Amino acid sequence: RKEVEQDPGPFNVPEGATVAFNCTYSNSASQSFFWYRQDCRKEPKLLMSVYSSGNEDGRFTAQLNRASQYISLLIRDSKLSDSATYLCVVKKAAGNKLTFGGGTRVLVKP
Amino acid sequence: SQTIHQWPATLVQPVGSPLSLECTVEGTSNPNLYWYRQAAGRGLQLLFYSVGIGQISSEVPQNLSASRPQDRQFILSSKKLLLSDSGFYLCAWSQAGNQPQHFGDGTRLSIL
Repeated sequence: RKEVEQDPGPFNVPEGATVAFNCTYSNSASQSFFWYRQDCRKEPKLLMSVYSSGNEDGRFTAQLNRASQYISLLIRDSKLSDSATYLCVVKKAAGNKLTFGGGTRVLVKP
Repeated sequence: SQTIHQWPATLVQPVGSPLSLECTVEGTSNPNLYWYRQAAGRGLQLLFYSVGIGQISSEVPQNLSASRPQDRQFILSSKKLLLSDSGFYLCAWSQAGNQPQHFGDGTRLSIL
């Protein structure tokens, strides 16, 4: 089983709609969680950190469920510019390494 | 503010040639530094990371090596490139602790 698993998609989303997707992680010692966005042939960019209480940044909402070991990302009022691959990233309590999921591809269409 | 520079942006090399990719970080001291590779349509694979000058941890056996001659400089090298070394190479930095990583623009390496 992979340490961090994501549905690869693609999620085809009409412009203005809401889309949500999850990421599961296998190591219960994981401590920090992040969502990154990667555009085609570009570097990953930090979208948001994920906090235990859940957090929101504009149209983006991230949730953490430690009991079930998953994090989620919800995008409201999708824009064409939201089309990208969203990478789930997990860090264990010890060490300096991040573990990246394979990414979920989102395509927002007019 | 902190910035990370990575070059070159693209590189085409013949099989068996050497490689040197450089990454520098500005605006911070004693960062953790990382080299990743991303094959086409695949996820990120951590190759090396460093928590200080001269300290290199290797994640996967391969014909690549890394060095950190200065606090904010991280170099990825190979003596002889293989076809399988093709990919998108990304350098990243972070502060210690539970901090996210920030990536350079990447180098797209094609081996012919």
